[in-house]
Amino acid sequence: DTGVSQDPRHKITKRGQNVTFRCDPISEHNRLYWYRQTLGQGPEFLTYFQNEAQLEKSRLLSDRFSAERPKGSFSTLEIQRTEQGDSAMYLCASSSWDTQYFGPGTRLTVL
Amino acid sequence: AQSVTQPDIHITVSEGASLELRCNYSYGATPYLFWYVQSPGQGLQLLLKYFSGDTLVQGIKGFEAEFKRSQSSFNLRKPSVHWSDAAEYFCAVVSKTSYDKVIFGPGTSLSVIP
Repeated sequence: DTGVSQDPRHKITKRGQNVTFRCDPISEHNRLYWYRQTLGQGPEFLTYFQNEAQLEKSRLLSDRFSAERPKGSFSTLEIQRTEQGDSAMYLCASSSWDTQYFGPGTRLTVL
Repeated sequence: AQSVTQPDIHITVSEGASLELRCNYSYGATPYLFWYVQSPGQGLQLLLKYFSGDTLVQGIKGFEAEFKRSQSSFNLRKPSVHWSDAAEYFCAVVSKTSYDKVIFGPGTSLSVIP
């Protein structure tokens, strides 16, 4: 069990650029979640996959955001035309039942 | 709607002192409750969880938490704090009505005085 991994750990980009983050869940976990955490706040749910199916999306996930989980393994979160308000920590979690295990997160800074 | 509150934004304790972090939840059924800890710039580590049964649960790093249904609380405790416990602590509830997504409280920041 190598845990949940995320890449990159840090990303600095200019406003208007596209960015993509990757999450590799614990191998036997079929559920995968994305959360966003801003400074001084708890994480907020963004989206959920069960295997390759995206079953729920938060209203926080505007049309500039898209997430995929091809083949039900790793997942990617893409943000198009980034805005300064997108600056946050993006956390990925995976579970096989009812306990979620979190990755180290990707810190996004939009200049 | 489910929600979690953590009344204390920041707590400072001396090393070796006891600690209690408060958590209250609003939920329409028996909740699944969690405490996570986050060190600066890091992801969240699970400290402990409550699903059912014994209302006093033990976790890692010497932490324990007690579920009190009558008070809708799930307070985290540690008898003797170490300097390495300084971190952000999040109480959370799993939404069993919505794909098990985790609803987090706002967090309590813990500082430890040597």
